[in-house]
Amino acid sequence: AQSVAQPEDQVNVAEGNPLTVKCTYSVSGNPYLFWYVQYPNRGLQFLLKYITGDNLVKGSYGFEAEFNKSQTSFHLKKPSALVSDSALYFCANTNAGKSTFGDGTTLTVKP
Amino acid sequence: GAVVSQHPSRVICKSGTSVKIECRSLDFQATTMFWYRQFPKQSLMLMATSNEGSKATYEQGVEKDKFLINHASLTLSTLTVTSAHPEDSSFYICSAPRREGWYEQFFGPGTRLTVL
Repeated sequence: AQSVAQPEDQVNVAEGNPLTVKCTYSVSGNPYLFWYVQYPNRGLQFLLKYITGDNLVKGSYGFEAEFNKSQTSFHLKKPSALVSDSALYFCANTNAGKSTFGDGTTLTVKP
Repeated sequence: GAVVSQHPSRVICKSGTSVKIECRSLDFQATTMFWYRQFPKQSLMLMATSNEGSKATYEQGVEKDKFLINHASLTLSTLTVTSAHPEDSSFYICSAPRREGWYEQFFGPGTRLTVL
């Protein structure tokens, strides 16, 4: 069975501060992990993915994520948050094309 | 990158009517597409797998007679919500994986369905 957990419904940070959005996974076989961002009434925008290779993955808009096999985590990070980063973020694992999503984390960046 | 489109982006209909939503892969062929629904402030839940040339595979709890899926070609899948009810109001999103890499898929922009 595949499951992805995002333990925080909401993350609030001040503009310019670093941000972290947490994700843990439980999958059978190799994980194929993704982060997406969703703005209101819009589809998903791809941020980054981990398939294999380096544990630190760099993605779009200055985001990065670190794959940690021992902790089964794939936390999303950004060194300096922008107000425009405020959105809903989803972590997902994909297996044979099907994606299993976490419940989502609403990120609010305050000026 | 690959592009997946959906049409319409928004639709409002009366209870009891049927609504068709199209999902197209614009620059690649997709023998398989996936349909998700998302309730407000909730996650995406997989509804069904659309298979070109064969019947769709539905997830547990999804009514196949209510959500009709037709994968008409290698670039088009349609989802028809039949006899729509207000509780069917939701955001419907399709996705299509690249044929050469099942782990990488591309999402459509979504369709907002409102049933009055």
